[in-house]
Amino acid sequence: DIQLTQSPSFLSASVGDRVTITCRASQGISSYLAWYQQKPGKAPKLLIYAASTLQSGVPSRFSGSGSGTEFTLTISSLQPEDFATYYCQQLNSYLGDFTFGPGTKVDIK
Amino acid sequence: EVQLVESGGGLVQPGGSLRLSCAASGFTFSSYEMNWVRQAPGKGLEWVSYISSSGSTIYYADSVKGRFTISRDNAKNSLYLQMNSLRAEDTAVYYCARVIRYYYGSGSYPYFDYWGQGTLVTVSS
Repeated sequence: DIQLTQSPSFLSASVGDRVTITCRASQGISSYLAWYQQKPGKAPKLLIYAASTLQSGVPSRFSGSGSGTEFTLTISSLQPEDFATYYCQQLNSYLGDFTFGPGTKVDIK
Repeated sequence: EVQLVESGGGLVQPGGSLRLSCAASGFTFSSYEMNWVRQAPGKGLEWVSYISSSGSTIYYADSVKGRFTISRDNAKNSLYLQMNSLRAEDTAVYYCARVIRYYYGSGSYPYFDYWGQGTLVTVSS
């Protein structure tokens, strides 16, 4: 099975900061990667799919990049509503593997 | 408006069974692949099971294989998760999630675009 790691697991940042979260896969997954945002008590919300495509309605301050084994989610200017936990997910429907990363919590400094 | 509404959660003893349902509306349910994803209290997301639009292809996470059964009734716009031999570690909020695909060339990128609000399953004596 493909394993995903995220770094950092926790980060403290201020409004207006540029934030980067990294997701690494144990083997190459091409661009079969999505990013989700989750706030306490709520369902996850899709931000990015196919590694770098912004989901409709998601603010342009969010961006994704990478391919193969290393991926990044960047928030160009952190807003108050962005404090949340972020998960990457690899999606290999041919092998039936839809593993999530362990998550990165973004907190207020 | 796309809506996914889970139900069926509750308190069950270890070794017991529970059946979760996910009622879908606002889209053509029979055209979409679906999943169950769970989240233990204070923990991260864990994918549980996948079912194709016709129900002909099914996958499970190793942690639930042999104990959980995913199914769907396209006539009733409903997704199900039959959970047997429940363990304390199955305690979690269970979400249903829709798959949508972004097509390119000869392939497609799947992703989970809509999620339900979740239903809590607690396994405890």
